[in-house]
Amino acid sequence: QQPVQSPQAVILREGEDAVINCSSSKALYSVHWYRQKHGEAPVFLMILLKGGEQKGHDKISASFNEKKQQSSLYLTASQLSYSGTYFCGTESVNNFGNEKLTFGTGTRLTIIP
Amino acid sequence: NAGVTQTPKFRVLKTGQSMTLLCAQDMNHEYMYWYRQDPGMGLRLIHYSVGEGTTAKGEVPDGYNVSRLKKQNFLLGLESAAPSQTSVYFCASTGLQASQPQHFGDGTRLSIL
Repeated sequence: QQPVQSPQAVILREGEDAVINCSSSKALYSVHWYRQKHGEAPVFLMILLKGGEQKGHDKISASFNEKKQQSSLYLTASQLSYSGTYFCGTESVNNFGNEKLTFGTGTRLTIIP
Repeated sequence: NAGVTQTPKFRVLKTGQSMTLLCAQDMNHEYMYWYRQDPGMGLRLIHYSVGEGTTAKGEVPDGYNVSRLKKQNFLLGLESAAPSQTSVYFCASTGLQASQPQHFGDGTRLSIL
């Protein structure tokens, strides 16, 4: 079963903040975040491992709440280059070692000037 | 460093025709994957491989076959194409260490008429 992402789409003005959520019905070992621009391949952003850590680089960060089986991606002071579709990919505890990810349906982020 | 290369980039087939999509990676990765991406559905795993000579089914394997005769290559075959297989196909690979990023190819846009 695919993880559920919310919102499905969001439009922001440059400089505003956004939060994208990813929820799973399964116990998770890790959550991966990717960004895909239209007509291009998904590009890796970050991985969060079981343990509830928070990661980030530049103005994009993420958290992982393993008890709630949720992860959130935070984009602060958004830039035009942040536009794209964001996907979470989850690795469940039961599938650990198989290196399989189950991807969410995506969140389309549009940044306008 | 080419990374993950998919061939061809575009293809139009008639219903019932067969074809093979090629994925090649030059990163010495153990794991390779084939996904299909349809509007609103995110990335869904078709088949994957955990090493040369091995393959396994993903979420949506029906109508597809795969082979991994060489470590660097992962082939996806459609024996009798159907309009429902119209999609964008992505190949990805990752290394042996647990929970590593997946590296994606640029995709193959396939239309079945």
